[in-house]
Amino acid sequence: QQQVKQSPQSLIVQKGGISIINCAYENTAFDYFPWYQQFPGKGPALLIAIRPDVSEKKEGRFTISFNKSAKQFSLHIMDSQPGDSATYFCAANHNDYKLSFGAGTTVTVRA
Amino acid sequence: DAGVTQSPTHLIKTRGQQVTLRCSPKSGHDTVSWYQQALGQGPQFIFQYYEEEERQRGNFPDRFSGHQFPNYSSELNVNALLLGDSALYLCASSSDRNQPQHFGDGTRLSIL
Repeated sequence: QQQVKQSPQSLIVQKGGISIINCAYENTAFDYFPWYQQFPGKGPALLIAIRPDVSEKKEGRFTISFNKSAKQFSLHIMDSQPGDSATYFCAANHNDYKLSFGAGTTVTVRA
Repeated sequence: DAGVTQSPTHLIKTRGQQVTLRCSPKSGHDTVSWYQQALGQGPQFIFQYYEEEERQRGNFPDRFSGHQFPNYSSELNVNALLLGDSALYLCASSSDRNQPQHFGDGTRLSIL
């Protein structure tokens, strides 16, 4: 049973465009929602994270939007660059216990 | 400041063998979690160690076991290897309940 559902599975965006990845969760005990970026042959790297007491968090070109009532959160990558081509995972956990990951979204940025 | 380091980077085993993977957490971190990532999928939680005890376990059989040492480093042991155990095994460390988990680059385990 997957606790975090992620979509789309893959997306292609032109350089300078906006990439949007969506995630939904069921467990209302989740209180921490990180996004990880993973390049081939590497481990996931923490990109940005949010807690449910805020609806939006922005760090550079990356923004998380959080909708607690809908139990959904999304990652927006603004001004997408070829170097952003990677697999992105949303995740959720409670009290630093196990991270439950989405299935991942492969983003391809075309120059 | 070294991040999470894992060894070895690659490993090839045959069915039925046993394997030990190692992890050194990021400096200042005392909690270690292990994840299994099959090709094209998200990481799946195996277990987490804190103060040398297994604090939480995911849905993995008893063939998967672990250990945490006083210096916070950790080992993952898998017995009676199956073809389905082929995956990238990731170690993550953190410093407190409410701090983010940082991942190493993993050990790629291939079972022949």
